[in-house]
Amino acid sequence: KQEVTQIPAALSVPEGENLVLNCSFTDSAIYNLQWFRQDPGKGLTSLLLIQSSQREQTSGRLNASLDKSSGRSTLYIAASQPGDSATYLCAASIQGAQKLVFGQGTRLTINP
Amino acid sequence: KAGVTQTPRYLIKTRGQQVTLSCSPISGHRSVSWYQQTPGQGLQFLFEYFSETQRNKGNFPGRFSGRQFSNSRSEMNVSTLELGDSALYLCASSYGRRGDTQYFGPGTRLTVL
Repeated sequence: KQEVTQIPAALSVPEGENLVLNCSFTDSAIYNLQWFRQDPGKGLTSLLLIQSSQREQTSGRLNASLDKSSGRSTLYIAASQPGDSATYLCAASIQGAQKLVFGQGTRLTINP
Repeated sequence: KAGVTQTPRYLIKTRGQQVTLSCSPISGHRSVSWYQQTPGQGLQFLFEYFSETQRNKGNFPGRFSGRQFSNSRSEMNVSTLELGDSALYLCASSYGRRGDTQYFGPGTRLTVL
């Protein structure tokens, strides 16, 4: 059974810092790993998707990496801004099923 | 292109009642998945529909059911509501190929009193 873990559960940093969010998964048989952002009371916004054959993906100030052998993914946010404050969720796409297994998320606060 | 829409956005029901939630996917998407989000359990997969057929199912009791129409719109029904069913219900749409990006709607906030 696939389990996804995100550490830390919450993170508070001053504006302008670079930061890394961590995601680990127990079963390396995944199709892809997707990172989402969720603002309070809202739905999920897809940030980056890394296919299982890829090592990383970049979008603007965001960079996500994937290491299937170690069961880890990281989301790197450069030059953080207060607008980056949100909960960040990673989700593994299970092979053989159109199904995502989510981590519990990291609640990120960027202090001005 | 319009995003995923869910109606209603908010619902208040009492224990024992039933409820139907609706999801309209992005145009051209044939797969709709449903997820339940609670503070304690996080996001959990309910089921996925593709071309009007349930293709995958999570570990939820039979009180949770769904269907998909020929235009890919999907409905989710919960019968005999319990207090623990209070949650944010999210639907996601995709083209339905394995590993496709899933796009989420804003969710329906269900409160059971």
